[in-house]
Amino acid sequence: GAVVSQHPSWVICKSGTSVKIECRSLDFQATTMFWYRQFPKQSLMLMATSNEGSKATYEQGVEKDKFLINHASLTLSTLTVTSAHPEDSSFYICSARDPSPTNEKLFFGSGTQLSVL
Amino acid sequence: KQEVTQIPAALSVPEGENLVLNCSFTDSAIYNLQWFRQDPGKGLTSLLLIQSSQREQTSGRLNASLDKSSGRSTLYIAASQPGDSATYLCAVNTGNQFYFGTGTSLTVIP
Repeated sequence: GAVVSQHPSWVICKSGTSVKIECRSLDFQATTMFWYRQFPKQSLMLMATSNEGSKATYEQGVEKDKFLINHASLTLSTLTVTSAHPEDSSFYICSARDPSPTNEKLFFGSGTQLSVL
Repeated sequence: KQEVTQIPAALSVPEGENLVLNCSFTDSAIYNLQWFRQDPGKGLTSLLLIQSSQREQTSGRLNASLDKSSGRSTLYIAASQPGDSATYLCAVNTGNQFYFGTGTSLTVIP
């Protein structure tokens, strides 16, 4: 099956620093990728939809200047948490949509646990 | 707006038992529905995908059904094993967006 690679798996940083998370589709081209945030024992909260070659679409309440998304190629999307603060600590997961018109399946990365001190 | 609910929120069963997880959604205009498994601190692993035109899908001990008109899907796990312990999420694809349920946390007791 399709594979989505997410890196890093975990990161610890000081308050005020920026953190970049990468999401790669390894064996298919993903024109659309999704970024989610997940709090402990809760479901996934969609943050933004990343579209290759264009600006990301952010969900209501998500600060676009805080969470910068870049989807410069068909296999890579990045999420940068700028000037991170302790309240940004969370589990971040990316997913990519299988481009097959008859499938429309979602594949997920392994997630990134961000801890901001 | 599509709302997806999963019942129960948590379930604990002895090993070997058959079990059913439920997923309900408010808008029947869906493209497909996907069941995922999530282990603690990990990403989601796709288990089964059911297209809107299908009634069920099977993979090994797993069987997922879909009743689009009533807005329901079930995930049936046969002969449960401790390794099945995880959180199970369903996701509804409307074509434009994916909506996730709140998840069912399953514990299979040896």
